[in-house]
Amino acid sequence: NAGVTQTPKFQVLKTGQSMTLQCAQDMNHEYMSWYRQDPGMGLRLIHYSVGAGITDQGEVPNGYNVSRSTTEDFPLRLLSAAPSQTSVYFCVTRQGAIGELFFGEGSRLTVL
Amino acid sequence: AQSVAQPEDQVNVAEGNPLTVKCTYSVSGNPYLFWYVQYPNRGLQFLLKYITGDNLVKGSYGFEAEFNKSQTSFHLKKPSALVSDSALYFCAVRGNTGFQKLVFGTGTRLLVSP
Repeated sequence: NAGVTQTPKFQVLKTGQSMTLQCAQDMNHEYMSWYRQDPGMGLRLIHYSVGAGITDQGEVPNGYNVSRSTTEDFPLRLLSAAPSQTSVYFCVTRQGAIGELFFGEGSRLTVL
Repeated sequence: AQSVAQPEDQVNVAEGNPLTVKCTYSVSGNPYLFWYVQYPNRGLQFLLKYITGDNLVKGSYGFEAEFNKSQTSFHLKKPSALVSDSALYFCAVRGNTGFQKLVFGTGTRLLVSP
C-alpha cells in the first residue's frame, strides 16, 4: 500500500518550458487535489477533483492544468513555466467528505 | 470566506514542559478543524480533527486540541514536549455548509530544546 505517490521529487525548468507532475494513489479516494507550499504563505489549493471526470479550480489555478481520467491518477500540468511557480507541490487525497488528508512526499520545482 | 490565523511563527519550549500552538479561525457555519504536522522534506501528516461533540479532541503522539466556539480558537496542546516534536504545525479549517474548501494557516514552527 503505497498511499500517494508523486513524481518527480525534484525538477529544474527554464522559463517557458512545460512539464507534468504525476500523482497516483492506491487508496480509492474520490477526492484528489494539488497544493503548493511557499514560505510564509502556508498551503494554497491549485486544483481539485471530487471524482473521475470532474475537476475544479482552487485558489491559485492560473498557469496550471489538470485532468482526472481515472480514480487513481491526477496529473498537474504546467503549461509555460514561470519563476513564480517555483515552489513545493503536494498531491493530496481525502477519505470521505470530512476525513483527514493524505499527502504525497512533495515535488520541489525550480523555474529559472 | 474562511480563514485561519496562526499568530506565532515560532514557539520555543523546553523538553518536558507543556506546549501550546495557537490557532484562530473564521468560517461560515460550524467549523471542521484540523491540525497537521510537517517534518523536514516530507508531506503533512494528520494529527487530529474536530467535527462535532466534545470540545477536547485527542490525537496522535499525545497531542490534543481544545475547540472554543466563543473565542473561535482551536489551540494545539501537549502536556510534556519531546525534542522529536520539533516540526512545522499547520491548523486548517472549512465550514460545514455546502462544499467549502479547506484553508490552511501559515504554519508555526515548534522548537523543543533538550
